Amino acid sequence: DGGITQSPKYLFRKEGQNVTLSCEQNLNHDAMYWYRQDPGQGLRLIYYSQIVNDFQKGDIAEGYSVSREKKESFPLTVTSAQKNPTAFYLCASSTQGRGFYEQYFGPGTRLTVT
Amino acid sequence: QQQVKQSPQSLIVQKGGISIINCAYENTAFDYFPWYQQFPGKGPALLIAIRPDVSEKKEGRFTISFNKSAKQFSLHIMDSQPGDSATYFCAPYYLIQGAQKLVFGQGTRLTINP
Repeated sequence: DGGITQSPKYLFRKEGQNVTLSCEQNLNHDAMYWYRQDPGQGLRLIYYSQIVNDFQKGDIAEGYSVSREKKESFPLTVTSAQKNPTAFYLCASSTQGRGFYEQYFGPGTRLTVT
Repeated sequence: QQQVKQSPQSLIVQKGGISIINCAYENTAFDYFPWYQQFPGKGPALLIAIRPDVSEKKEGRFTISFNKSAKQFSLHIMDSQPGDSATYFCAPYYLIQGAQKLVFGQGTRLTINP
């Protein structure tokens, strides 16, 4: 089955700890994205990557870091510098190019920091 | 940052009725106008999208109406069914330096009563 996997589904951490969220895709997509979703709000872009070994900050990158060492993988680290890390995190991927290409989303990871 | 305003925040419709969700935007550089559907605990999925040179697009029970001069577009769900109960997001799309950007509205929680 082609798709995007995110693990774990639920993650609990203590304040002050860094945590890494996994995202893997087997759709052969060049572009990958990380979004954050808070209750009653739309999705906000954290980071995106158009190609291996390259990534760009989105609208709310502060307190987050990413890497893109393989085409299939785009892990997100939530650092202790992120002031409000509790949220639902969504990874997406898409084909690159001009014109509209659908972004396919994973099932998400719900992170709770106490 | 581009502004996208979605209304209403929540909507309750009887089974068989018409559900209408609206989206207003400011940025005239948007290239495409998609709607995403999200079920609880899942990632969003593309429902339907329209190009800016088309005023209406219909796919089954779902229709997008697009008013370029008013900078508004809407989603109509005909013969609404309980299975349509979900959160809907408008997410106008643009390209910047080859990267795809979606700007999500705040979301509309739709409930279809049986």
